[in-house]
Amino acid sequence: DAGVIQSPRHEVTEMGQEVTLRCKLISGHNSLFWYRQTMMRGLELLIYFNNNVPIDDSGMPEDRFSAKMPNASFSTLKIQPSEPRDSAVYFCASRFGTTNEKLFFGSGTQLSVL
Amino acid sequence: GESVGLHLPTLSVQEGDNSIINCAYSNSASDYFIWYKQESGKGPQFIIDIRSNMDKRQGQRVTVLLNKTVKHLSLQIAATQPGDSAVYFCAENSGNQGGKLIFGQGTELSVKP
Repeated sequence: DAGVIQSPRHEVTEMGQEVTLRCKLISGHNSLFWYRQTMMRGLELLIYFNNNVPIDDSGMPEDRFSAKMPNASFSTLKIQPSEPRDSAVYFCASRFGTTNEKLFFGSGTQLSVL
Repeated sequence: GESVGLHLPTLSVQEGDNSIINCAYSNSASDYFIWYKQESGKGPQFIIDIRSNMDKRQGQRVTVLLNKTVKHLSLQIAATQPGDSAVYFCAENSGNQGGKLIFGQGTELSVKP
């Protein structure tokens, strides 16, 4: 199995532009998490899905952020419009089952908003 | 102005020594705990997990101890190697929140050859 696949690996954009981060889950996994990692706040949970349904989006910073699962194996995290303070490494992670199982992380997307 | 960021706890050990990394968790209802290792430029990597009905679990060179009374988790690494140098995170999963997995701030382990 190729593991959780994130794209792009690096993204550099200008303030105000739309950014879309992509994530492919491990085959057979049915729970998907998006995290953001910065030096200031560490590893923050943004949102997670169980069986394609968003369960908790309380970590999403504001309305500029949205996440979707158009199908069981794929997710997107969109920022529109982007701001410099959104610069961070964004990780997605998946697991089999909806609780009490380990998460498998992707390699992350390094986002820089200029 | 000076930027303020997280000051990760740092543990420095000599190669071959044992390492103990500690973590205090917040939710007494948490029923599942995981330790992750993160190397520079990579995503967190699973090390070992433990459920709340256990107080100790062993893996290869690693042991996790759980003390629910004081809400404390520790990771012991035997015969620490330079390749163990990384940031280590504990994570707690509160079952009554639908499987929400929350990470601690992390501890940086530095192994001196």
